[in-house]
Amino acid sequence: EAEVAQSPRYKITEKSQAVAFWCDPISGHATLYWYRQILGQGPELLVQFQDESVVDDSQLPKDRFSAERLKGVDSTLKIQPAELGDSAMYLCASSLDLPHSNEQFFGPGTRLTVL
Amino acid sequence: SQQGEEDPQALSIQEGENATMNCSYKTSINNLQWYRQNSGRGLVHLILIRSNEREKHSGRLRVTLDTSKKSSSLLITASRAADTASYFCATDAGTNAGKSTFGDGTTLTVKP
Repeated sequence: EAEVAQSPRYKITEKSQAVAFWCDPISGHATLYWYRQILGQGPELLVQFQDESVVDDSQLPKDRFSAERLKGVDSTLKIQPAELGDSAMYLCASSLDLPHSNEQFFGPGTRLTVL
Repeated sequence: SQQGEEDPQALSIQEGENATMNCSYKTSINNLQWYRQNSGRGLVHLILIRSNEREKHSGRLRVTLDTSKKSSSLLITASRAADTASYFCATDAGTNAGKSTFGDGTTLTVKP
């Protein structure tokens, strides 16, 4: 069964360092999402791509976060510099563009700890 | 900002009992979805209910939607220990096709 792949699964870094997360969506899924999930809370959308274009990045802290999906397939989310408050689970999801259905398929996530 | 709010925040039941979780939201929606998340893992889609539907079933899951009250409920019947997880509702308000806004979830513990 096709799955969303993410790497690394765990990342420990010191504040002020740069970190990068990678996501490979399910083949054929045009829409890709990056979420941040703080422990005990629901996922918060950081950025949404439709193919290689950004559809929504209104909640992305653009002074330190960047995301790209250059060929409309896999995607990278970067944080530079990392801050203590960035410790969270970073989830990637993808979906098909079906009318009236935006079922999202999630990857296993990257657990980031900033020391 | 979170559109959906789940209630209760935590629920503990015995195996075999039914579990009911509720979700309330603030604005009109196109559809509402329920997801499950096992500890430390990604979310898994359970069921989608459209705004013109009132009830849907999938196996041991039953979802209702009351658009007049802006609320939904998820019922898990004959619960199992493997149902232990966090459950999230996600609403699609239609302002951005494909965007869902998640609540903070209900943590369900099913004791064997």
